[in-house]
Amino acid sequence: DAGITQSPRHKVTETGTPVTLRCHQTENHRYMYWYRQDPGHGLRLIHYSYGVKDTDKGEVSDGYSVSRSKTEDFLLTLESATSSQTSVYFCATLAGVTDTQYFGPGTRLTVL
Amino acid sequence: DAKTTQPPSMDCAEGRAANLPCNHSTISGNEYVYWYRQIHSQGPQYIIHGLKNNETNEMASLIITEDRKSSTLILPHATLRDTAVYYCIVRVGTGGGNKLTFGTGTQLKVEL
Repeated sequence: DAGITQSPRHKVTETGTPVTLRCHQTENHRYMYWYRQDPGHGLRLIHYSYGVKDTDKGEVSDGYSVSRSKTEDFLLTLESATSSQTSVYFCATLAGVTDTQYFGPGTRLTVL
Repeated sequence: DAKTTQPPSMDCAEGRAANLPCNHSTISGNEYVYWYRQIHSQGPQYIIHGLKNNETNEMASLIITEDRKSSTLILPHATLRDTAVYYCIVRVGTGGGNKLTFGTGTQLKVEL
């Protein structure tokens, strides 16, 4: 693995509440990614970061924001959670030497 | 990124070689073939990648046809722990902004 941890691992919340998911890495990788995984859709990219304070949108970014104030931490925020955001969220980093992405263990989020 | 086609499911007897095919007939010259797998509820795990030469590592071998329009991932001695969904992904190899596009993959079931 690439020293990636995600917190929390499980969360249940109510519609309309803000939620922040944290991804932490210990390998000093420049690129970090947030994906969501839903049945029938595979993994879809939400946002990614290419450095501190440098982020860009993925294919399903509506309703999500991200922040990266330190190399090791990449935060995903749902400003006002909706039931459609119930999903499993995976964080990933890019190992530059091999140009491969390594994934964290995931966060299972349920929005009631 | 080029589209890939994989069979939805395959079975393999434990101890035998598992050969997972992938078609990528529209692959471009600068696109690599990546293989990941996802064991139930875990984050995707990188297996191997290649451009045009066959590759081997401690997990698997990757055989790419000469015209690069298809490839095969080989698990030489499959075990029950290799039961997972296997994803074949084609993408431009360099640059962290080149995201991974996961399809629905092949569900490999290894049985006694």
